[in-house]
Parts: sequence; C-alpha cells; structure tokens
Amino acid sequence: DTGVSQNPRHKITKRGQNVTFRCDPISEHNRLYWYRQTLGQGPEFLTYFQNEAQLEKSRLLSDRFSAERPKGSFSTLEIQRTEQGDSAMYLCASSDAERDLRETQYFGPGTRLLVL
Amino acid sequence: AQSVTQLGSHVSVSEGALVLLRCNYSSSVPPYLFWYVQYPNQGLQLLLKYTSAATLVKGINGFEAEFKKSETSFHLTKPSAHMSDAAEYFCAVSANTGNQFYFGTGTSLTVIP
Repeated sequence: DTGVSQNPRHKITKRGQNVTFRCDPISEHNRLYWYRQTLGQGPEFLTYFQNEAQLEKSRLLSDRFSAERPKGSFSTLEIQRTEQGDSAMYLCASSDAERDLRETQYFGPGTRLLVL
Repeated sequence: AQSVTQLGSHVSVSEGALVLLRCNYSSSVPPYLFWYVQYPNQGLQLLLKYTSAATLVKGINGFEAEFKKSETSFHLTKPSAHMSDAAEYFCAVSANTGNQFYFGTGTSLTVIP
C-alpha cells in the first residue's frame, strides 16, 4: 500500500448532474477526511469518519452533499444537482488514530471537479 | 477556535538563499501544528509536525520549523533553497485528535535560478 488513492482524478460535468468520487485510504487507517480546496485557498474541512461512523460535518456540506464509508474502508462523496460553485479540488485524507497520537493526516492526490 | 495565518501569499528567493515562510496560529488549547507542501495538481505531502517533544522540529527535504508559544508562531525555514522547492506550502493547526485541520491560505514559493 503506497498511500491514499482517489478516483477519478478529473471530472467534468454539466450543471445539475450528480457526481460521485471515491477515496481509498491507507490500509488500517481508521479515520478518513474529506476536504475541498478552491483556487488560491487552503483545504477546507467537509467531513470525517471514524471507521464507518460519520462523526463531524462542516456547514459547508450542504444537503446536496453526502458521504459514506459503509465498511470502514473506502469512502464515497456524492454531489447531487451540481452547481458551478462546486468546482474545486476534493481532497481525501486518512489517519491512524490508534498508533499516531498526533494524528498526521495523509492526503490523496485529489479529484478536480469542473462544473460547466 | 483554531486558525492559522500565513503572511505572504507569494515568496521569491534565489537558489541557495534562506527560505522563510511564516505561520501564526490561534488556538484555545495546546495546538498540533503541521506544514504540508503541494506540488501542482497533486495532493498535500507532510513536511513536518510539532509534537511538543521539542520546539525545533526537523522535517523532510532539509526543512525545519520552530514552535514559539510566546509569539504563537511556527515559521518554516530552510537554509539553502533548491529549484525543486518551488511549490505551495500550507500551515495547519489541529486542536484535538480526530478533529479537522484548519489550513492557512498557503504561500507560493518561487525559486529564482
């Protein structure tokens, strides 16, 4: 296992369509995070999971956004009825809360979304 | 509440010169502090993290950062810049384990030959 992977790397969609992104964390990492990064900004927290439980959600995560981690391994982030303002890089990160007391988060390469 | 401020959205240095990227944090509890680097179209790579064991933290690629509680700072330095250091650098703070990271807006480092 070489790190966090995300698919697809790029997605172009038309406004109003639904999109789904996938994140595969580092094996045995029990925490998984989603962030959104717009041009010229740092990543902004969206939500995180501990195992399969979604423990925290940002108010940035509107009702059009939903995230799941059904078996405590990979996670999906779905955006329904996409809007142009959803265009951003979506980053996934994972951490091992049991072994790493400082909770280093390891990031994937991101999925860049463009909504036309 | 936690936050970080990165002073200087763009920094240019000559190859071989000192690199200094500034980060000031705000935290109501003892913070966990991190520096990440991001190359174009890639995710974030951890450079170093503050563990409270030592105020001077050494990271990868010759970078280091010093935690100064009195100044609420965690500036990133490197004695001699290389062309390969050109990238976006982000400072982040986390107050508790398992919680979100709060990132600064980033500093774009340009290295001039």
